[in-house]
Amino acid sequence: GAGVSQTPSNKVTEKGKYVELRCDPISGHTALYWYRQSLGQGPEFLIYFQGTGAADDSGLPNDRFFAVRPEGSVSTLKIQRTERGDSAVYLCASSLSGAVYNEQFFGPGTRLTVL
Amino acid sequence: AQSVTQLGSHVSVSEGALVLLRCNYSSSVPPYLFWYVQYPNQGLQLLLKYTSAATLVKGINGFEAEFKKSETSFHLTKPSAHMSDAAEYFCAVSSVMAGKLIFGQGTTLQVKP
Repeated sequence: GAGVSQTPSNKVTEKGKYVELRCDPISGHTALYWYRQSLGQGPEFLIYFQGTGAADDSGLPNDRFFAVRPEGSVSTLKIQRTERGDSAVYLCASSLSGAVYNEQFFGPGTRLTVL
Repeated sequence: AQSVTQLGSHVSVSEGALVLLRCNYSSSVPPYLFWYVQYPNQGLQLLLKYTSAATLVKGINGFEAEFKKSETSFHLTKPSAHMSDAAEYFCAVSSVMAGKLIFGQGTTLQVKP
């Protein structure tokens, strides 16, 4: 597609359940980022992939959060044992390379609600 | 460590008036600075970026920002506000080593007719 796509657009789950959020980056972009945006806040960095490997996962809040990018394109963010505090909009971005001067293109986000 | 502070969570201007959104950063290394805009129900869109070239940066939709190292600021301005400028604006900092963006908490711009 022309831009970054994320599915689902909305996800409602119950506390304790497992969820997967998917990101399809722009074709040819080697760098992929996940951010989390809580209500009234700016996006907060979670993890950065360069190709298939996680180059920086310093933003993952705890070991319930995990992300993969097995073929260097699509990425999945996985959250185990969800908690109400995980409710937020999860944003994905991609860029041509990991160089800081390359623009990060953002997807529309997945709104996760944990009941 | 890097951080960004946006002064004023809400700014209201009249249509045609000057827009000034404030951003101050903290960085122990030469910073790269960005302004993003988020329209309702849309993804973040890059307005402009500073990457150590010219200190006055021009972006899309008539916006510009000036990097002032002595003041550690990167304020966003537009001479004349349009109704369509109503949105959430985010300032962000990064560095050549980091790649990831560190965002401020955002400023909501309201434009009154």
